[in-house]
Amino acid sequence: QLLESGGNLVQPGGSLRLSCAASGFTFSSYSMSWVRQAPGKGLEWVASIGNRETFFADSVKGRFTISRDNSKNTMYLQMNSLRAEDTAIYYCAKDGVSGNRIWDYFDCWGLGTPVTVSS
Amino acid sequence: IVLTQSPGTLSLSPGERATLSCRASQSITSNYLAWYQQKPGQAPRLLIYGASSRATGIPDTFSGSGSGTDFTLTINRLEPEDFAVYYCQHYGGSPQMHTFGQGTELEIK
Repeated sequence: QLLESGGNLVQPGGSLRLSCAASGFTFSSYSMSWVRQAPGKGLEWVASIGNRETFFADSVKGRFTISRDNSKNTMYLQMNSLRAEDTAIYYCAKDGVSGNRIWDYFDCWGLGTPVTVSS
Repeated sequence: IVLTQSPGTLSLSPGERATLSCRASQSITSNYLAWYQQKPGQAPRLLIYGASSRATGIPDTFSGSGSGTDFTLTINRLEPEDFAVYYCQHYGGSPQMHTFGQGTELEIK
């Protein structure tokens, strides 16, 4: 129901855009988020988007932007000024409650897309 | 809010009961606490939300409890497929961020 794409190897300072294609639910009714997992590490919330409002973790604020196209049932993560510490698997996740409330648990996750930042 | 999970690693045998702890640095309002299971190479799976409500399709061998700052995930009669890493998560928007614990690895003894 959630399929990420766009992960790749990129040099430090570079940019990358991730996509998350959704299916099987009314995409426009749910807040969506990105969560990442560095190699061998735990889960780290990255960003969330509701109807229009967006929120970011301090570690990516000012470098990453999140957006959505409800006509395409797709969410995006634009990542700029990438650093080695951004290396991770990036998961998209769907809120468990409709209404674009932003701050809910995640009831559906994609398989993830890997991002490697290295020269 | 910082979530601290303990133990870091729990070694048990199939059939035993597992008790995993998640402690918050501040009281969590409205029990906005979730638990996830993650197996190697897989995405996390929601187990528990609202501290004690089981997600769709989760067997009743999994149960969540607690309030305030102390929460527990209990897994009764461990099955081989239950051995995985478990994360707790605070949601709810106060503060405006999602926070995960560092995880507990449940391994076969």
